[in-house]
Amino acid sequence: QVQLQESGPGLVKPSETLSLTCAVSGYSISSGYYWGWIRQPPGKGLEWIGSIYHSGSTYYNPSLKSRVTISVDTSKNQFSLKLSSVTAADTAVYYCARQIDHGGWFDPWGQGTLVTVSS
Amino acid sequence: DIVMTQSPDSLAVSLGERATINCKSSQSVLYSSNNKNYLAWYQQKPGQPPKLLIYWASTRESGVPDRFSGSGSGTDFTLTISSLQAEDVAVYYCQQYYSTLLITFGQGTRLEIK
Repeated sequence: QVQLQESGPGLVKPSETLSLTCAVSGYSISSGYYWGWIRQPPGKGLEWIGSIYHSGSTYYNPSLKSRVTISVDTSKNQFSLKLSSVTAADTAVYYCARQIDHGGWFDPWGQGTLVTVSS
Repeated sequence: DIVMTQSPDSLAVSLGERATINCKSSQSVLYSSNNKNYLAWYQQKPGQPPKLLIYWASTRESGVPDRFSGSGSGTDFTLTISSLQAEDVAVYYCQQYYSTLLITFGQGTRLEIK
């Protein structure tokens, strides 16, 4: 049974870089699938941030592309998100999830982690 | 960008009654080469991550109760819960994956018990 768990700081200062990691268990990232990040501002809807294949190929939401980097570490079976120059608008619950394909649905999802951007 | 618009924003249905949620895409998500609609539905309960219910617009994910069904094609889609149970109270989202450049979700529909 595949499980994903996000980790990282819950508070980030404005203009700094948000960094999160998603640890995957029950499945080897090297075996395939895409792996994605999705966020949800408090009380609002879902926004796809970007996804990565185990080979390292990435694709990002164009509205965030200039600030986002997603990387994968197959030796640790995890993938990571970096979002630079954050503002209060980046405050959200950040989810990681397995994506069925390049362009596909997400299943399963991690429990999510709330990141607040505040000084 | 493919904009996904759900209706209604919120819905109250009596236990045992049918609940219907609509999702409309700004352009077709039907891929003609394989005749598949690139649309998924999720259920999100308070404090939980979204859970996949339906993919390819009408294929139920393993373990999802058969009271949940998806239908539609092209730009208009529907999620139906045939007989509402108390545990179905949640926010429901549609998602298109036709555009691999930008995956987008609907704004969500909140389902409550009347």
